Amino acid sequence: EAGVTQFPSHSVIEKGQTVTLRCDPISGHDNLYWYRRVMGKEIKFLLHFVKESKQDESGMPNNRFLAERTGGTYSTLKVQPAELEDSGVYFCASSQDRGGSSYEQYFGPGTRLTVT
Amino acid sequence: QKEVEQDPGPLSVPEGAIVSLNCTYSNSAFQYFMWYRQYSRKGPELLMYTYSSGNKEDGRFTAQVDKSSKYISLFIRDSQPSDSATYLCAPMRYNTDKLIFGTGTRLQVFP
Repeated sequence: EAGVTQFPSHSVIEKGQTVTLRCDPISGHDNLYWYRRVMGKEIKFLLHFVKESKQDESGMPNNRFLAERTGGTYSTLKVQPAELEDSGVYFCASSQDRGGSSYEQYFGPGTRLTVT
Repeated sequence: QKEVEQDPGPLSVPEGAIVSLNCTYSNSAFQYFMWYRQYSRKGPELLMYTYSSGNKEDGRFTAQVDKSSKYISLFIRDSQPSDSATYLCAPMRYNTDKLIFGTGTRLQVFP
């Protein structure tokens, strides 16, 4: 069974540009999450999709970040316009729906974003 | 104050040693306690989890939670060089899916 995949693995963009990150969850997983780790800090939650609906977006830092999950399959996270502080590693994770807390979250390898 | 505190290490031990990795937390609402292992340039990999207080054993790994003192531990017996990685504790409240990560402890096991 394929794991969570993310694309690209690394992106270098200039401040003010737009970047779109993609995540493909494990097949059959209704829950999809985005997390990120900025330099020297802990991994922090950004948002949670259940199928195509946003269940919790309390961790999204500001309105420059837009996450979508059309059709309840893959998800994209767009940063527009990118700022220097957006640099970090963006992780996607997915889990099955267990009717309660979906604690078995499986992470992808991450996308390393560098904003110069 | 951070919700989860974890010593970043690095922790360097010889092969075969017993390793103790620890976290403290402040939110008494946490009910699930996960341990993730992360190799360099890879995503976190779920090692094991416990629900509420108590111990859980899986092979060479034992997870322990003491909710009265808000203390989480992961013990690794007979440590191997392949255990060299960063270990992240990540508790979660019941009925939420938001993992709250510690900063991670970097472990090095030398032959």
